[in-house]
Amino acid sequence: AQKITQTQPGMFVQEKEAVTLDCTYDTSDQSYGLFWYKQPSSGEMIFLIYQGSYDEQNATEGRYSLNFQKARKSANLVISASQLGDSAMYFCAMREGRRSGGGADGLTFGKGTHLIIQP
Amino acid sequence: EAGVAQSPRYKIIEKRQSVAFWCNPISGHATLYWYQQILGQGPKLLIQFQNNGVVDDSQLPKDRFSAERLKGVDSTLKIQPAKLEDSAVYLCASSLEGAGYSNQPQHFGDGTRLSIL
Repeated sequence: AQKITQTQPGMFVQEKEAVTLDCTYDTSDQSYGLFWYKQPSSGEMIFLIYQGSYDEQNATEGRYSLNFQKARKSANLVISASQLGDSAMYFCAMREGRRSGGGADGLTFGKGTHLIIQP
Repeated sequence: EAGVAQSPRYKIIEKRQSVAFWCNPISGHATLYWYQQILGQGPKLLIQFQNNGVVDDSQLPKDRFSAERLKGVDSTLKIQPAKLEDSAVYLCASSLEGAGYSNQPQHFGDGTRLSIL
C-alpha cells in the first residue's frame, strides 16, 4: 500500500479562488510529521507547511493552511486566494518516527498534484 | 543564509559510463539526504547521512550507486556504471538535527538533472 496518496494528478483553478489539494497517508507510527512542498517548473523544492501528529491546531502559513484530520489520516493543503505564481507541482510528504538525536527520517513523497492557475 | 548547493546542474552521459554529483548543505546542518526524482514522480530517498555516518541506505542500489560524506559537510553521490533507468533529477537536502527539531523541514538544492543516452 502506498504511504502517501495524492488522488488529483492535475487541477485547473481560476485565479483568486481557493484550492484544496488532497493527501491521505498510511502509517502505524504514533509520532510522525506531514509536509507540503511546492516544485515549480524550474525544479527546486520549496517547503510550504508542516503538521506534527501531536499538533492539536491545524497549521497555517500565510495563504497556506493544512486541514489535518487525524482519524481519517488526511492532510489536505488549502491555498487561499490563488495567484498565477502558485502554478506548480505540489507534493505531500511524511516523516515517520520521532527524531531525537538521530535515526532514519527520510521523507516519503506522494506522486504530486500539478496545479495550474488560470487568469 | 546560503541554501543547499549542488553541481553540476545538468549532466548527459552514455549508459555504462560513470558520473558523480556534489552537494554542500546549509551551514550547521548535520543531516544530509540524497533523493532520486524520476520524471512524473515524487522524490525517493536514496541515502541519509548524519554527520559523516550513514543512517539509512536501504533504498540505495548498492551494486552501482555509492555515496560518501567524509568530513561531515559536503557529499558526493556516484553512479557506476549508469543504466538508462537512472535518468532522473538527483536532489540533495539537509536539515537540522537533534531533539526538539522534529518540525524542521528538509531544505533542498536545485538538483542535478541526469540524462542517460
